[in-house]
Order: sequence, then C-alpha cells, then structure tokens
Amino acid sequence: EAQVTQNPRYLITVTGKKLTVTCSQNMNHEYMSWYRQDPGLGLRQIYYSMNVEVTDKGDVPEGYKVSRKEKRNFPLILESPSPNQTSLYFCASSPSGGATEAFFGQGTRLTVV
Amino acid sequence: GQNIDQPTEMTATEGAIVQINCTYQTSGFNGLFWYQQHAGEAPTFLSYNVLDGLEEKGRFSSFLSRSKGYSYLLLKELQMKDSASYLCAVPYSSASKIIFGSGTRLSIRP
Repeated sequence: EAQVTQNPRYLITVTGKKLTVTCSQNMNHEYMSWYRQDPGLGLRQIYYSMNVEVTDKGDVPEGYKVSRKEKRNFPLILESPSPNQTSLYFCASSPSGGATEAFFGQGTRLTVV
Repeated sequence: GQNIDQPTEMTATEGAIVQINCTYQTSGFNGLFWYQQHAGEAPTFLSYNVLDGLEEKGRFSSFLSRSKGYSYLLLKELQMKDSASYLCAVPYSSASKIIFGSGTRLSIRP
C-alpha cells in the first residue's frame, strides 16, 4: 500500500531534550516536506527536499533540522525543543516538486513542556 | 510576498450546494490545490487547477481564474461526511515551496 509513515504519532517531551520525528514513504517520490499545523494558522512549511541530499528552508525553519540521506526517509530533528514548538506535525511526499499532489503522513502531535 | 485568504468557517445543509472561495497572491503561478482534512486526520488531495476554468470530479468541482487570483471549490449534494476543513494551497518559488491557506471549516447540518 502506498503510504507515508510518521513516527511517533504522539510525543510529550521536556524543553531542551533532543528529539527526532521519522518520516518514510514507499512511493519513490522525489519531493518531501514537513509542515506544522496550529489553530488559525493552517499548515506552514518547515523544510522541504527536492531530492536526496537537497534540502531547503520553508517558511518556519527556526529550531528545526532535516536530512535526506535516502530517497524514502526525511526525518525532522528538534535539537532543543521549546514550548512554542508544541504543534501537530505532518510529513508529506509528492512525485516531483511542489506542483504535484501531496500524500500526507498521519501526523505527529508534539507537546513540549 | 505570498498570501492566501479563505473564509474561516461555513455552514450548509445536507443535500445542498456550497461554494468555498480562495484568493491568492504569489510570485509566479504553478497551479492551485484543494485538500480536504477531517478533524484529527491528515489532509487528502481533492483537486489541482493550473488552467482557467472549471474542473468537475463527481460531486466536487474546482474553478480557477488566474487573472483574478481566485479559486473556488464547489461541493454538490452535500453529505454529512463532507463536514471537514478545506485547504487551498499554492506552490511558489518555482514550485519548490508551498503556501497553504488557514482552511475553511465546513459544518453540514441535517
């Protein structure tokens, strides 16, 4: 089954404790992206990757890191999480570039206390 | 800069028709997407318009006017399961980035 898989689905952590949210897709898509979704603000793009080893900042990259060492995986790293990073996070993949249909993971609800 | 506007909330009656509007301002144009998002779930693709006009797909249709920076999503024969948020999204920066509207929460009443 074609899918984007994120883990974990739910995470509660403390300020400053490094964490990684994993994202994997099995559709051989070139483009992958991370978003955060906050009430009233909609989906905001954090980072994106056009292909392996090619990543760039979206609209809200501060406090986040990503890597794309393999085509299927695109982890999101929070080196020192803060409470303002409490949010619902989605990973998405598209066949090629942002102008193709996006397939979203199930979401990760992160709480930083 | 980039900007997308859509109404925050709408209410409609089961069996009726509803139109959800979206206006956008972007540098360059690479098409416009509509996604549906049920509460607590991931967004799912509904439509993609790159040329002016209306595209119909079952009960859902999407319209685009590039000269006006305007799109709408038309939902016919509304069903209770259509209660969801509808997100308008536009790729920009040579389609490398994507901006989403804040979404329109549609409630269907019996």
